[in-house]
Amino acid sequence: AQSVTQLDSQVPVFEEAPVELRCNYSSSVSVYLFWYVQYPNQGLQLLLKYLSGSTLVESINGFEAEFNKSQTSFHLRKPSVHISDTAEYFCAVKTSGTYKYIFGTGTRLKVLA
Amino acid sequence: EPEVTQTPSHQVTQMGQEVILRCVPISNHLYFYWYRQILGQKVEFLVSFYNNEISEKSEIFDDQFSVERPDGSNFTLKIRSTKLEDSAMYFCASTGRIDTQYFGPGTRLTVL
Repeated sequence: AQSVTQLDSQVPVFEEAPVELRCNYSSSVSVYLFWYVQYPNQGLQLLLKYLSGSTLVESINGFEAEFNKSQTSFHLRKPSVHISDTAEYFCAVKTSGTYKYIFGTGTRLKVLA
Repeated sequence: EPEVTQTPSHQVTQMGQEVILRCVPISNHLYFYWYRQILGQKVEFLVSFYNNEISEKSEIFDDQFSVERPDGSNFTLKIRSTKLEDSAMYFCASTGRIDTQYFGPGTRLTVL
């Protein structure tokens, strides 16, 4: 069965510092991987996705994630965070051939001034 | 930019009552989903819907739940007899292809 693990429930980091939010998945077949961001009292917004091709994917606001098949990981990184990046970040996986998306438990990123 | 909308934003109901949560997916999308998020917890898949029938559902989606696409635009989630543990944020999502989901802002359901 598919599962998604986000080991860090909270990550505090100072503004302009780099950050990595970890995501590991388990699946025996090919997967699609996603990162969503949720700002307080809002819905989920797609940040970036891996479907196929280049294993490094980027978002328009400076985040990137790398699909590592051997380590079954899809960690999210940003070299320099801003206060406005404070939010909950969810990793999600969808197995090819199914309609179901499985979400991780989320990582609360708190950027400190 | 097209977006998924949900109404109401907040629904308060008494235990045992029926509620209907409404969603308007993006107009040319074909696949529709409901998720719930209990306060402070992860987002949980409930059901997916395609071609006017349920494609997949989770263990949470028991006989108390049903979904419907009554016309060409709305997609509804009905809970027949609400329980306290149904209190959560309910998110609707849609996708045109089986890859990227677009989420609505959610409906906060409070069962008293």
